[in-house]
Amino acid sequence: DAKTTQPPSMDCAEGRAANLPCNHSTISGNEYVYWYRQIHSQGPQYIIHGLKNNETNEMASLIITEDRKSSTLILPHATLRDTAVYYCIVRGINTDKLIFGTGTRLQVFP
Amino acid sequence: NAGVTQTPKFRILKIGQSMTLQCTQDMNHNYMYWYRQDPGMGLKLIYYSVGAGITDKGEVPNGYNVSRSTTEDFPLRLELAAPSQTSVYFCASNPPGIRNEQYFGPGTRLTVT
Repeated sequence: DAKTTQPPSMDCAEGRAANLPCNHSTISGNEYVYWYRQIHSQGPQYIIHGLKNNETNEMASLIITEDRKSSTLILPHATLRDTAVYYCIVRGINTDKLIFGTGTRLQVFP
Repeated sequence: NAGVTQTPKFRILKIGQSMTLQCTQDMNHNYMYWYRQDPGMGLKLIYYSVGAGITDKGEVPNGYNVSRSTTEDFPLRLELAAPSQTSVYFCASNPPGIRNEQYFGPGTRLTVT
């Protein structure tokens, strides 16, 4: 599976959009990009995934560059409850295993 | 649905002791996983299972064993506990398919002293 690179931490003001970047320059054509988050000490929570098209759901939007070498998770109106560690994961189509990195710690402040 | 449940929530073991971490899911998911998370780190996959009777090693299987006799249960066995196994253990499950939304349990915090 392709390796991902994320900034270790980011801050965001409450109510503003949080844009979390992820680099996956070695991604191959059949690998998906997944985002999970982990709030405090809870188990991780699925957010969104995509292959090459941009995706949106009730939680977030995922923007994948045309060359697929990077992506951005967008939380459109961050709240204090969005403070968490966000993991960007690349998964091959032939595996159900997720390889977690160290993620980005997002701190939303009032 | 209760989702993924794990017991116990906390446990302290002495070096050399053994224990079983329990994981049960009521969503009829084929796939189940065990992860460990050390402080400040991401999750590491220990073992996983794609269905009853089928298990396979993940990234860090040494010191652990698993079994999958039913779809619902996926216990993790620690033999001869060592301080290096002090960690938070998460169990997860998902149905097969592209979405791969893994549902995680609340975790078991294990300390080996």
